[in-house]
Amino acid sequence: AQSVTQLDSQVPVFEEAPVELRCNYSSSVSVYLFWYVQYPNQGLQLLLKYLSGSTLVESINGFEAEFNKSQTSFHLRKPSVHISDTAEYFCAVSAPGGYQKVTFGTGTKLQVIP
Amino acid sequence: GAVVSQHPSWVICKSGTSVKIECRSLDFQATTMFWYRQFPKQSLMLMATSNEGSKATYEQGVEKDKFLINHASLTLSTLTVTSAHPEDSSFYICSGRDSLIETQYFGPGTRLLVL
Repeated sequence: AQSVTQLDSQVPVFEEAPVELRCNYSSSVSVYLFWYVQYPNQGLQLLLKYLSGSTLVESINGFEAEFNKSQTSFHLRKPSVHISDTAEYFCAVSAPGGYQKVTFGTGTKLQVIP
Repeated sequence: GAVVSQHPSWVICKSGTSVKIECRSLDFQATTMFWYRQFPKQSLMLMATSNEGSKATYEQGVEKDKFLINHASLTLSTLTVTSAHPEDSSFYICSGRDSLIETQYFGPGTRLLVL
């Protein structure tokens, strides 16, 4: 079984400042890792994912996350946030293959302050 | 990314009625679909996993007779909330798994309000 911990329930940050949203996971097997973003009253959108290969993955809107196996982390970062980045961010983990379900963290609300 | 649609986007119904929510994968085949429930300011709670052509697997504590799931094709799954009550009011989100790239794509959600 896998689990995900997002320690920060809310992260306020000023516009154009950098941000890091923390995610740690636990698993007894190899994992796939995901970050999803949820805007108010909407479903989840895939932001980026790590399946294999390069441990640094990037999204099209400037976010990046790095898979760190030794620290069992997959923190999400952005060097300069925009007002439009205000949303709820969920880290998620699943095991490879088959009908493996995705386990979600409790979410981090990113509040960008103008 | 891939697209998953849900219909309706929101529904208001009277207590005791049944509500059906459709989930469709529009540009990929989803052999596995998942149904989640989300309460305000909380994370997603997995309700059930449905595989095309077979019975759904329900998570502990989820009543299978109350939340009927049908996954009749590779692009369509339905969730029927039977005899809905106010405590069933929630945001229901489905997702489809694209097995070729090992990724789940989520629908926009259906907000259910039972009066």
